[in-house]
Parts: sequence; structure tokens; C-alpha cells
Amino acid sequence: DQQVKQNSPSLSVQEGRISILNCDYTNSMFDYFLWYKKYPAEGPTFLISISSIKDKNEDGRFTVFLNKSAKHLSLHIVPSQPGDSAVYFCAASARGGGADGLTFGKGTHLIIQP
Amino acid sequence: NAGVTQTPKFQVLKTGQSMTLQCAQDMNHEYMSWYRQDPGMGLRLIHYSVGAGITDQGEVPNGYNVSRSTTEDFPLRLLSAAPSQTSVYFCASTPGGSAVNQPQHFGDGTRLSIL
Repeated sequence: DQQVKQNSPSLSVQEGRISILNCDYTNSMFDYFLWYKKYPAEGPTFLISISSIKDKNEDGRFTVFLNKSAKHLSLHIVPSQPGDSAVYFCAASARGGGADGLTFGKGTHLIIQP
Repeated sequence: NAGVTQTPKFQVLKTGQSMTLQCAQDMNHEYMSWYRQDPGMGLRLIHYSVGAGITDQGEVPNGYNVSRSTTEDFPLRLLSAAPSQTSVYFCASTPGGSAVNQPQHFGDGTRLSIL
């Protein structure tokens, strides 16, 4: 049973527009959520995170929103740039510091069209 | 900074062979983990460690062994390789201890094919 779900395998967005990637989770014990970006033949790179005590976290062009009642989080990228084309993974931890590892979604392939 | 270093980058094995995937980090992180990624799937946790001498099983531990004799190194052993273990393997580390809500940092992976 998937505890972290990314229901869109791919997403195509025009350069300069907003990209919105979605993630749902089922485990109420998750208290720390992360987004990773992955290029082919490379390891995942940390992008942005949010603690369960917050509902929004911003870092430059990237904003993560958390809706605990809906068990839903989203990543907004504004404006989208060609270098943002990659696979984005949503991940969650039930012990803040990730002591027992992360649970990942299957990923969303974001394609930025020129 | 080297960060998390995985070796080898690529490996082809025959069914039944054994091998060790190496992982080293130079950030003095307490927590380390191994994941595998299969096509169309997210990363799945194999084993993890919260410090030297302490390891535990993740979601998909069967067929793999780990040990953690030092803070820096966390090798993953395949005792008798099977075609189902063909995958890309990622090692990760995070500070741990009193440093809560810190991201895991990943190596670039080992691409393993079992024939």
C-alpha cells in the first residue's frame, strides 16, 4: 500500500509559467516532508522541505504548501525554467530527522516547454 | 566537498555471484540509508543505520546485508545475486542526533545488472 502518492507521472508546462506538482500521503505519523529533483544518471538532489507544524515554506522560485487535514502537499515553481525539467520526488518521514529513512512517491516527470 | 560517494558506478553480475556496494560520507553524519530505484518506481528503503554498530531493515531488505563499523562507511552486500536485484542503488546520509528535520543527501548511485 503506497503511503506517498504522486498521481501525475508527467507534467508539461510552458517556460515562464507556474509548475504545480502534487503529492498525497496516508500515514498520519509523517511529520516532515521533502521534495527532491532528479536528473538522469544522477542521485536525487534536495530541493525544499516542510515540517508538519508549518503550512508553507518558500525558497526562491520554489514554494511548498502543506494541507494536513487533506494529507496533501504541493510544490510550486514560479517562473518555470528549462533547467527545471527533471523528475520530482515527494518524500516523507515519520521521525523528523529521517532516522528510519524516507518514504518516496513514484515521481512526476516535469517537462518545461520553450 | 565529496559528500556521499558510491562505488562502483556500474556493475554487471551473474546470477549467484556476490558483491559489495560501497558507500562513504565525509560529513560526519550519524544516519545512513540504502535505497533501490526500479523503473517507474520511487526509491524504496532497503536498510538503514542510526550510528556505528546499529542497523535495521527497511521496506525491501531480503537478499541484502549491511554493517556499520565506522561513521563514514555503510556497505551493502548482495550474498547471492538474483535478476530481481537488477536496479539502481542509492546511498544517503543525514546528520541525525539532535539535528531534526534535516534532508538526506544522496550519492550518484550504482547501476547494477544481474544476468
